[in-house]
Amino acid sequence: DIVMTQSPESLAVSLGERATINCKSSQSVLYSSNNKNYLAWYQLKPGQPPKLLIFWASTRESGVPDRFSGSGSGTDFTLTISSLQAEDVAVYYCQQYYSSPYNFGQGTKLEIK
Amino acid sequence: QVQLQESGPGLVKPSEILSLTCIVSGGSISNYYWSWIRQSPGKGLEWIGYIYYSGSTNYNPSLKSRVTMSIDTSKNQFSLRVSSVTAADTAVYYCAGIPLSGNGWFDPWGQGTVVTVSS
Repeated sequence: DIVMTQSPESLAVSLGERATINCKSSQSVLYSSNNKNYLAWYQLKPGQPPKLLIFWASTRESGVPDRFSGSGSGTDFTLTISSLQAEDVAVYYCQQYYSSPYNFGQGTKLEIK
Repeated sequence: QVQLQESGPGLVKPSEILSLTCIVSGGSISNYYWSWIRQSPGKGLEWIGYIYYSGSTNYNPSLKSRVTMSIDTSKNQFSLRVSSVTAADTAVYYCAGIPLSGNGWFDPWGQGTVVTVSS
C-alpha cells in the first residue's frame, strides 16, 4: 500500500497570507508512461462533503479559485493557497490514485491566525 | 450534474450488519466507478472500495473480509454492507464517484450519512 503523509497536521495563517501544505507518498505516484502524477487534493468543511480541488497533482478542478495551486512530482507534493481567505478554513487532504487501495493523507487543519 | 444521496440507519448494534444505499441522479450510472469512503471521528478519510455498473468490485484489503457492495442499475443506486460491525465502524459514510474520464479521483460526493455503532 502507498502511505500518504501530510505536514503539518495543523496550520494557522493570517488572512491574505500564503498557506502551504505538504504531502509525501511512500512510493512514487508518477506514472512514467504518461508522465502524470496520480495525486489529488480535497477540501473538507464541517457539514459538507469533501470538495475536489486539484487532480493530476496540479490541475485545478473547474470552478476552484486560482489562489489554489498544486505542485510537486514523484513522492513530494504541495498545495498552496496564495492569499488565504476566510472561507478557506477547512481540513485539506491529499489522495493517491496510482494504485489500490486509494489512500488519503491524514489531513491538515487550516485556521486563521 | 450528477448528484448522490446516501440513506440508511443511523444506528447499528455491534456485531450486526451496516447497510447503506446511494442514489445516483442527474447522470448515467455507467460513467463512474462508485465508491464508499468513510471518516471516523477524529480521523481521516478511508476508502472502502468501489463497484462498477457491471458488478465488478475492488475493496480495500483492510475491510475486504467484511464488505460487500452491490449495484442496481434499474434503480440507479448502489449499496454497501459491512458485517460484524464494532464501535470502530462508527463514521460518516460518503458515497462518491470515480469518473471513467479520470483515473481515480473522487468527484462527485454525497453529503454523507452518520452511522453510529452502539448497543
